[in-house]
Amino acid sequence: DTEVTQTPKHLVMGMTNKKSLKCEQHMGHRAMYWYKQKAKKPPELMFVYSYEKLSINESVPSRFSPECPNSSLLNLHLHALQPEDSALYLCASSHLNQPQHFGDGTRLSIL
Amino acid sequence: GQNIDQPTEMTATEGAIVQINCTYQTSGFNGLFWYQQHAGEAPTFLSYNVLDGLEEKGRFSSFLSRSKGYSYLLLKELQMKDSASYLCAVRTRSNDYKLSFGAGTTVTVRA
Repeated sequence: DTEVTQTPKHLVMGMTNKKSLKCEQHMGHRAMYWYKQKAKKPPELMFVYSYEKLSINESVPSRFSPECPNSSLLNLHLHALQPEDSALYLCASSHLNQPQHFGDGTRLSIL
Repeated sequence: GQNIDQPTEMTATEGAIVQINCTYQTSGFNGLFWYQQHAGEAPTFLSYNVLDGLEEKGRFSSFLSRSKGYSYLLLKELQMKDSASYLCAVRTRSNDYKLSFGAGTTVTVRA
């Protein structure tokens, strides 16, 4: 069990669908992160929010749209994804300068 | 960018000790983290070094030498459940939020 909760755990969607991944933490962390992880590879950073403002965008395609409604929630909106976007999407959170704590991830499959 | 190297695979016997090395080349080093990741699960934080020396946490210890750009994770009294991927990650002063991960070391514990 982790203190970072992600939903859904699994998601299958077509290339024309719109869906959202959700992440929630109640540890008072003010930094939240989205990572993408392919099989047998390390996590790749996508976005960082600090104090609910987008701090880092690692040149992610616009078909991925992050949103941070408040200090506890982080969303990732998906639209017109490609088959190569199939991966494990991990959310993490941390205090500044402290270790990041990961959620269990959403396993995404694009048909 | 950062160049982080760790062995791809290691095998050890239950009850033994295994040492996973990580070397890095980076400008403005500001911390090194070790994570454990079981197949299909999220990374779990294990240990964190900012200053030179050894950090001990139960069966797991991590060592850092900043002058050599070198760290190791030591796993003692290996158990079958320690079979997992171990990720070395480096943070730099240029960005307190960004972790650069090594490719990971898959450790297999045999009975």
